[in-house]
Amino acid sequence: QSALTQPPSASGSPGQSVTISCTGTSSDVGRYNYVSWYQQHPGNAPKIIIYEVIKRPSGVPDRFSGSKSGNTASLTVSGLQAEDEADYYCSSYVGSNNLIFGGGTKLTVL
Amino acid sequence: QVQLVQSGPEVKKPGASVKVSCKASGYNFNFHFLHWVRQAPGQGLEWMGIINPSRGGTTHAEKFQGRVTMTSDTSTSTVYMELGSLSSADTAVYYCARDWSFPIPDYYFDLWGQGTLVTVSS
Repeated sequence: QSALTQPPSASGSPGQSVTISCTGTSSDVGRYNYVSWYQQHPGNAPKIIIYEVIKRPSGVPDRFSGSKSGNTASLTVSGLQAEDEADYYCSSYVGSNNLIFGGGTKLTVL
Repeated sequence: QVQLVQSGPEVKKPGASVKVSCKASGYNFNFHFLHWVRQAPGQGLEWMGIINPSRGGTTHAEKFQGRVTMTSDTSTSTVYMELGSLSSADTAVYYCARDWSFPIPDYYFDLWGQGTLVTVSS
C-alpha cells in the first residue's frame, strides 16, 4: 500500500487561509470516512486535529476544518496564526485493520 | 493523569532486535486499542500495527510481517513492540498511540507516547 500523496510544502500569511490536500485511491480515502489529520511541531509527538474526515476533537480551534471529495481529503486552516507553523499528516483506514499515512506537508506561516 | 510513557532510547547493532515498552495510566487499559507508529529522522509517519491490549490480538502492516511482535501485559498496563533483524533503515522514533474508539477501532489516535529513539548502527 503506497502512502497517501500530500504536497511537501504549503504557506500563507497570518490571517489567510491555506488548504492541504491528501490524495489516495478508491480503496482508502475514497472508500472510508476514516481520514484523520495530525499536526506535529518539531520534537513533539503528533496531535490529532481532525478525525472521521470532518470532526474536530475538543480543544482544537474551529479554524481547522476537514473535507473530502472522491479520493482526495483536504485540511483547511483559516485565519493562519504563527503557531500553526508545523508539519501536517493525513491518514486513512485502508481495510483489513490497516492504516496508511500521507508523506506530510510542512506549513510555513510567512 | 492520562498518559502513555515509553521506555528510553536504544542503540542496537544491525541484525539485532529491540523491544520498546509503552505503559498506560489514567484510563482503563483494556478499553482502548494501541497502535505503533514510527518516524525516521526527517521523514514522515509510518503505521506499524495495532494491538488489542485485553485480548492480545494484533495486526501488522505487511511491510513488518515476520519481523515485528506486539504483546500486552494487562497486569502492568503495558504493551511492547519488538522489532527484529534491524538495519539502519529502522533508525527512527517509535511511538505508541491510543485509539480513541472501542470495541471497534477508529484508527484515530487521541493520545501519544513521548516516543522512543531507536538507533541502529554498527
